[in-house]
Amino acid sequence: AQSVTQLGSHVSVSEGALVLLRCNYSSSVPPYLFWYVQYPNQGLQLLLKYTTGATLVKGINGFEAEFKKSETSFHLTKPSAHMSDAAEYFCAVSDHGETSGSRLTFGEGTQLTVNP
Amino acid sequence: DAGVTQSPTHLIKTRGQQVTLRCSPKSGHDTVSWYQQALGQGPQFIFQYYEEEERQRGNFPDRFSGHQFPNYSSELNVNALLLGDSALYLCASSLWPTDTQYFGPGTRLTVL
Repeated sequence: AQSVTQLGSHVSVSEGALVLLRCNYSSSVPPYLFWYVQYPNQGLQLLLKYTTGATLVKGINGFEAEFKKSETSFHLTKPSAHMSDAAEYFCAVSDHGETSGSRLTFGEGTQLTVNP
Repeated sequence: DAGVTQSPTHLIKTRGQQVTLRCSPKSGHDTVSWYQQALGQGPQFIFQYYEEEERQRGNFPDRFSGHQFPNYSSELNVNALLLGDSALYLCASSLWPTDTQYFGPGTRLTVL
């Protein structure tokens, strides 16, 4: 069974500072990993994903994440925070199969606050 | 190109009632998944539909049922509503079997 742990339910940074949101996963198959962002009263928007290949993946809005198999981690980073980055961020792992489809297992989320 | 759409946006029901939520997938997608997001928590997988059949199911009681239509749209039905069913219900669409899931804006269900 898949599981995701997001370390830190709340993270606060200053505008212009580095953003680091932590995600560790457990998976019985080679994982597909995702980061989604959720703004208040909205659905989830895909930031980036890792399936195979290059372990450093770049997403929208300047975010990137690195898949580290040895550490079972997929941390999300952004060099310089912007006020508009304030939102809830969810890390997810996919239980996937060619005949069974896929389901996402989400972490509990990290609320990012950006201070002026 | 329209993304995933859901209706209604908000819904208020009382305990014991039944509710139907609707989802239209992104153009070109053939698979629909449903998730429940309780306040302050991450989304929980309910089930996934492809070719009008339920393909995977999460740990939800039989009160939760679904349907997929030939045009790939889907419904989520919840019977005998409980207070604990109050949540944001998210629909996601994708291409079978393992494509990235794209989410709709959700339906906020309140059970009184």
